[in-house]
Amino acid sequence: DQQVKQNSPSLSVQEGRISILNCDYTNSMFDYFLWYKKYPAEGPTFLISISSIKDKNEDGRFTVFLNKSAKHLSLHIVPSQPGDSAVYFCAASGNQGAQKLVFGQGTRLTINP
Amino acid sequence: DADVTQTPRNRITKTGKRIMLECSQTKGHDRMYWYRQDPGLGLRLIYYSFDVKDINKGEISDGYSVSRQAQAKFSLSLESAIPNQTALYFCATSDALARSYNEQFFGPGTRLTVL
Repeated sequence: DQQVKQNSPSLSVQEGRISILNCDYTNSMFDYFLWYKKYPAEGPTFLISISSIKDKNEDGRFTVFLNKSAKHLSLHIVPSQPGDSAVYFCAASGNQGAQKLVFGQGTRLTINP
Repeated sequence: DADVTQTPRNRITKTGKRIMLECSQTKGHDRMYWYRQDPGLGLRLIYYSFDVKDINKGEISDGYSVSRQAQAKFSLSLESAIPNQTALYFCATSDALARSYNEQFFGPGTRLTVL
């Protein structure tokens, strides 16, 4: 039972354009969401997060949108750069204090020059 | 220097062997986690520890055991390795007292192959 789903295994975007990565969740108890970025041969690194009390959080080129009614979040990268090519994982946490993350399957983003 | 280190980085072993993967951290965090990554499945939680005396099973703990030797060290053992335990294993840490307490910091991973 996959509680966090990233339905697109891969995404290819031209440099300078917008990249949109999507994530859906089923557990209404999730109240905090994170995006991680992973390069080959490295561990995932934190990118951006959002609490369920917000519907948008922005950090430079990265913006995360949360639609609680649809149980959907998305990560927007504008403008996309070659260094953004990586695997992106969506993760969710619920029951504040538990600090257990549930991860999606990941989406491989490729930025083409 | 890396804040979260894992040893070994790569390991090939045979079915039935006992294997230990080690994780050390210099971040001073109290919470530590072990995950495995499989293609198409993302990262799944194996075990987690909120302090030296607290060990909890995660989503997929069968076939694994852990030891929290100190606040900075958390080891994962496969008592009798089997081929479907071939995967990429990650250790992670978090700070319960940090404002961003949900954020976890990952080590570089151990690629384990069981033949």
